[in-house]
Amino acid sequence: DTGVSQDPRHKITKRGQNVTFRCDPISEHNRLYWYRQTLGQGPEFLTYFQNEAQLEKSRLLSDRFSAERPKGSFSTLEIQRTEQGDSAMYLCASSLVSGSTDTQYFGPGTRLTVL
Amino acid sequence: ELKVEQNPLFLSMQEGKNYTIYCNYSTTSDRLYWYRQDPGKSLESLFVLLSNGAVKQEGRLMASLDTKARLSTLHITAAVHDLSATYFCAVDKGSGAGSYQLTFGKGTKLSVIP
Repeated sequence: DTGVSQDPRHKITKRGQNVTFRCDPISEHNRLYWYRQTLGQGPEFLTYFQNEAQLEKSRLLSDRFSAERPKGSFSTLEIQRTEQGDSAMYLCASSLVSGSTDTQYFGPGTRLTVL
Repeated sequence: ELKVEQNPLFLSMQEGKNYTIYCNYSTTSDRLYWYRQDPGKSLESLFVLLSNGAVKQEGRLMASLDTKARLSTLHITAAVHDLSATYFCAVDKGSGAGSYQLTFGKGTKLSVIP
């Protein structure tokens, strides 16, 4: 069990550029989640997938944000036309829907800095 | 909208002392999670509480859930320096099987002083 991995770990970009982050969940997990965490705050839910279906995306912060999970395995989160307010840690988590316990396991995060 | 409040937000305590962190939430839920986060690191799952009256213990940490009061507590017994971290509670908005959208509190930053 290698855990949830995210790439890159750090990304510095200029305002207006597009960025894409990748998340590889724990291999047998069927749910994948994206969160954003700003300094001094708890993670904020953005979207989630069950297998390849995106079941909730209303919490994505704006239409500049989009996520995909094309084959039900890894996922990407894209931010278009980045703004300084997008600077944050972007966390991915995965879980296995099985019975009553369904803990979300978090990856190390991608820290985005928009200059 | 589900709101989750933790208190205190900052806690400085001496080694060997006991203390409790409180987590209140605003709407009915029977799934509550506690996570730990070390500086610059991701979140580590500590406890999953799934029913009223649930109590879980691991080492010096014990978590409980009162769904009627919409309150969870994380009790620290005889604190040691290694427990210094930020602790988050998170409440599951979804219903049915499996966790779905977690709403997190702001976290409690715990510093254990020798």
